Amino acid sequence: QVQLQESGPGLVKPSQTLSLTCAVSGESISSGGYYWSWIRQLPGQGLEWIGYIFYSGTTNYNPSLKSRLSMSVDTSKNQFSLKLSSVTAADTAVYYCARDTSYSGIDCWGQGTLVTVSS
Amino acid sequence: DIQMTQSPSSLSASVRDRVTITCRASQSISTYLNWYQQKPGKAPRLLIYAASSLQSGVPSRFSGSGSGTDFTLTISGLQPEDFATYYCQQSSSTPPYTFGQGTKLEIK
Repeated sequence: QVQLQESGPGLVKPSQTLSLTCAVSGESISSGGYYWSWIRQLPGQGLEWIGYIFYSGTTNYNPSLKSRLSMSVDTSKNQFSLKLSSVTAADTAVYYCARDTSYSGIDCWGQGTLVTVSS
Repeated sequence: DIQMTQSPSSLSASVRDRVTITCRASQSISTYLNWYQQKPGKAPRLLIYAASSLQSGVPSRFSGSGSGTDFTLTISGLQPEDFATYYCQQSSSTPPYTFGQGTKLEIK
């Protein structure tokens, strides 16, 4: 059974960089076939697709975040990461990591982690 | 970006009712449309993928249909555990893979 678990600071100061890691168990990222994704949910609002990374390192980012966004993958640790720079209060959200099967939907999600941007 | 518009934004219904939620894409996405259920404080759960395929483990009272720009999610015979927020998401070849704004299904 595939499980994903987000980790990282729950509080980030404005203008700093938000960094999160997603540890994957039950599935090898290197096996291919999936897009390892990040989605966020602003407080009381809907879902926003942030982007994904493939095991090879190929990425696809939401254009609205692209200039501040970086994703990486560490196949040796079976985890992938997100960095969002120059954060503001508008980046306060629950961040989910997830496994995207491409045309068959996002079938596995982490529990989500709340990141608050505040001084 | 492809915009996804759900209607209604909220809906009140009773147990055993049949309900339909609509999702419209701003351009054709063929059948690259997924539906998710989210309960408070929980991650979303995939219900339907590719517009009409039922995800493993999801009860058969959930069904999806549509293609192109217009899609529906139908729940036949609402159960108490179905009261939640539902989101559609397009997964066409053109990221970002946008979500609808959500439909909150409440008990009448």
